[in-house]
Amino acid sequence: KNQVEQSPQSLIILEGKNCTLQCNYTVSPFSNLRWYKQDTGRGPVSLTIMTFSENTKSNGRYTATLDADTKQSSLHITASQLSDSASYICVVSDRGSTLGRLYFGRGTQLTVWP
Amino acid sequence: EADIYQTPRYLVIGTGKKITLECSQTMGHDKMYWYQQDPGMELHLIHYSYGVNSTEKGDLSSESTVSRIRTEHFPLTLESARPSHTSQYLCASSDLRGQVDTEAFFGQGTRLTVV
Repeated sequence: KNQVEQSPQSLIILEGKNCTLQCNYTVSPFSNLRWYKQDTGRGPVSLTIMTFSENTKSNGRYTATLDADTKQSSLHITASQLSDSASYICVVSDRGSTLGRLYFGRGTQLTVWP
Repeated sequence: EADIYQTPRYLVIGTGKKITLECSQTMGHDKMYWYQQDPGMELHLIHYSYGVNSTEKGDLSSESTVSRIRTEHFPLTLESARPSHTSQYLCASSDLRGQVDTEAFFGQGTRLTVV
């Protein structure tokens, strides 16, 4: 069964600190993995997208890693800001006969305190 | 900035009413999706489309229906709303290059409350 598991479920950190969010998946055949940021009551916004051959991708203070062998990904946030408070969702796309399906994790709820 | 729009952003209606949630994208994407999301929970796929005149049901059973008469437009309709339909509905689109989805862009969502 294709699944995406994220940890931790929620996280509270102080402004300026770093944090790392984890994503494990069982989706096969793998196409790509994306990290989205979703503010409360809004639609998800893409942070990074990585294919099988990529193992690191950065977008400002966000750095995503991918280990396609162990089927794990992480999202590292550097020097957190109050505006980073949001849900971070890991999404994996397959390369199946249905022309690609998106599988969503439940997200990690990040809260940054001043 | 993604060019995908949902209207209305918020909707409160009475039980039994018929409603249509609008979703439009100006990126020429082939694939469009509707997701349902309850607070603090993951997104559940309820409908998707590969292109004009193509519609498929998603993983989560839904009493809603969709249509895809034009590439840019993917409305979702509830013939008779019930309180159990209260949720956030998110529309998304992506492009197909070969058999690989490109990045999916999401609308801002419609928060539906049925009283």
